[in-house]
Amino acid sequence: EAQVTQNPRYLITVTGKKLTVTCSQNMNHEYMSWYRQDPGLGLRQIYYSMNVEVTDKGDVPEGYKVSRKEKRNFPLILESPSPNQTSLYFCASSFSGGSNQPQHFGDGTRLSIL
Amino acid sequence: AQSVAQPEDQVNVAEGNPLTVKCTYSVSGNPYLFWYVQYPNRGLQFLLKYITGDNLVKGSYGFEAEFNKSQTSFHLKKPSALVSDSALYFCAVRAVVDDMRFGAGTRLTVKP
Repeated sequence: EAQVTQNPRYLITVTGKKLTVTCSQNMNHEYMSWYRQDPGLGLRQIYYSMNVEVTDKGDVPEGYKVSRKEKRNFPLILESPSPNQTSLYFCASSFSGGSNQPQHFGDGTRLSIL
Repeated sequence: AQSVAQPEDQVNVAEGNPLTVKCTYSVSGNPYLFWYVQYPNRGLQFLLKYITGDNLVKGSYGFEAEFNKSQTSFHLKKPSALVSDSALYFCAVRAVVDDMRFGAGTRLTVKP
């Protein structure tokens, strides 16, 4: 089954404790992206990757890091999480970064930073 | 800069009635427009897209959307709503490769 898999689905942690949210897709997609969803704000892009070893900032990259060492994986790293990063996070992928390509989304990771 | 507006936070309709979820956009150049649906505890699912051509686009689950260039709108419609259509709906616009913008979302509630 074609899917985007995120782990963990839920995480409660404390300020300053480094964490990684993994994202993996099995569709051989070139383009991958991370979003955060906050009430009333919709989805805002954090980082995206056009292909292996190619990443770039989205609208809200502060406090986050990403890497794209393999085509299928695109982990999101919070080096020193803060409470304002409490949010619902989604990983997405598409065949390419082309403008007319719809994205496939994971089921989300709900992070609570205390 | 691209932007998307969904003017209604909430839309309530009775089952069997037609539904409309509104979306307007602002973009330089020709837009690519998308609708996604989000069910509880799930990621967004693609419903339909407008690229070019016919202004009426048909998508999954009986949904359709009408592109109106003069009004810069892309409203989502369905002739007969089902209770199972209750969900959060997002409109999105993309005019350049790396920049997809989402609206704030509209919660649709269909009552029996």
